[in-house]
Amino acid sequence: GENVEQHPSTLSVQEGDSAVIKCTYSDSASNYFPWYKQELGKRPQLIIDIRSNVGEKKDQRIAVTLNKTAKHFSLHITETQPEDSAVYFCAASRGNNQGGKLIFGQGTELSVKP
Amino acid sequence: DGGITQSPKYLFRKEGQNVTLSCEQNLNHDAMYWYRQDPGQGLRLIYYSQIVNDFQKGDIAEGYSVSREKKESFPLTVTSAQKNPTAFYLCASSTPRDSWSYEQYFGPGTRLTVT
Repeated sequence: GENVEQHPSTLSVQEGDSAVIKCTYSDSASNYFPWYKQELGKRPQLIIDIRSNVGEKKDQRIAVTLNKTAKHFSLHITETQPEDSAVYFCAASRGNNQGGKLIFGQGTELSVKP
Repeated sequence: DGGITQSPKYLFRKEGQNVTLSCEQNLNHDAMYWYRQDPGQGLRLIYYSQIVNDFQKGDIAEGYSVSREKKESFPLTVTSAQKNPTAFYLCASSTPRDSWSYEQYFGPGTRLTVT
């Protein structure tokens, strides 16, 4: 069935360093790839997303890259800050073909040390 | 963050009892979802509904049931058949952002403990 693998499960970086989280999906019909951030005790929130016809997207300090051939996509956070500490989830979707159904990865707990 | 609510925040039940978790949204979203969150396993889809009076099983529907009688409401019942019901349950709703994508808005969650 559809599956999304996410690595690493935990990531610790020093403030100012970069962080990279990688995901692999199995469903070749997936065409939409969002990333959600869940701070401790809070609900997940969308931070960035990418469509299958785009290879890279940036929004200030965060960027997402997509390799459709390899079925890989990654989240890049530059100049990390303590407030970036959270659990990050990648997801894959067939978009409107399945009413927005998302398949989530297992999550990455990012810790940014001051 | 407003617009989608779940109640209660914490719920305790004895084994063998059914329990219903509430999810309400006033965002006028057609689609609603239930997820279960366990440490190290991400968000696993239990059920989803694209429209009133229709719903589909997700990856882990066994032991759960839902209804969608109103657009605003999507209650989840955890039955006694669910072998390991203790978990954090998240409800979400979504609307199309464009021809490609939906953004899901999550509720605050309900932490269910069954002993």
